[in-house]
Amino acid sequence: AQSVTQLGSHVSVSEGALVLLRCNYSSSVPPYLFWYVQYPNQGLQLLLKYTSAATLVKGINGFEAEFKKSETSFHLTKPSAHMSDAAEYFCAVRPASGNTPLVFGKGTRLSVIA
Amino acid sequence: GAGVSQSPRYKVAKRGQDVALRCDPISGHVSLFWYQQALGQGPEFLTYFQNEAQLDKSGLPSDRFFAERPEGSVSTLKIQRTQQEDSAVYLCASSRGTGGGGGYTFGSGTRLTVV
Repeated sequence: AQSVTQLGSHVSVSEGALVLLRCNYSSSVPPYLFWYVQYPNQGLQLLLKYTSAATLVKGINGFEAEFKKSETSFHLTKPSAHMSDAAEYFCAVRPASGNTPLVFGKGTRLSVIA
Repeated sequence: GAGVSQSPRYKVAKRGQDVALRCDPISGHVSLFWYQQALGQGPEFLTYFQNEAQLDKSGLPSDRFFAERPEGSVSTLKIQRTQQEDSAVYLCASSRGTGGGGGYTFGSGTRLTVV
C-alpha cells in the first residue's frame, strides 16, 4: 500500500518569504508523486509531478519540488510567496506502473500574510 | 469539452433521499475517477473506470453507493438513502491514458449536504 504524510495541516508565511510544504511518502514500489493545489470551492489543479526523470521538478506558478529517495520526501517549495498562493495543497502518490489510483495526503493550508 | 464538468455544483438532500451526481470528463479521456472529500480532509478514492469498465470500486463506502459509465464517457455517481455522513464534496477526475505518469484533471466538484 502507498501513502503520503503531509507535515503541518496549516502553514503561515509572510508575503515574499520562502514557502516550504512537506510531504513524505511510503511506497514498496517506485512511486510517481504529485502536488495539487485547491482554491476555495474549486477542484484540484496539478502543480507538478515526479515521474522518475529529473529529481528536481519545476511546476506552475514558480513552485518546484525535489524527489529525495533517501529521505522518502517530496517537499514543495517556492522562493517568494505571493498573496495569490494562499490555498490548500495536496501531495499524492501512485505506483509507477499499473492503474492504481492516486492516494492523497490530508492537505496543508497555506496562508500568506501581507 | 475543455475541462471536466460536474453537475450539480451544490445539492441539498433530505436524509433518506436518493441523489445522482453527474460527471462529464474531457473528451477522449479513457480513465475516470470519483473521489470523496470531507470537510478539511484530502480526497478519498471511491471508484475508477477505464472506458465503460469499472475496474476498481474498492473505495465505495457502502452498497448505497453506485457508479456507472455506460458509454465510456459521462459517468453518474448515485447514492441511495442518503445519510448525514455522506455530506462531502464529490470530485470527478479524468486522464488521457491508463498509465501512471499522467496527472488527473479534476472537475470543480459537487458539494452534497444531507440534512
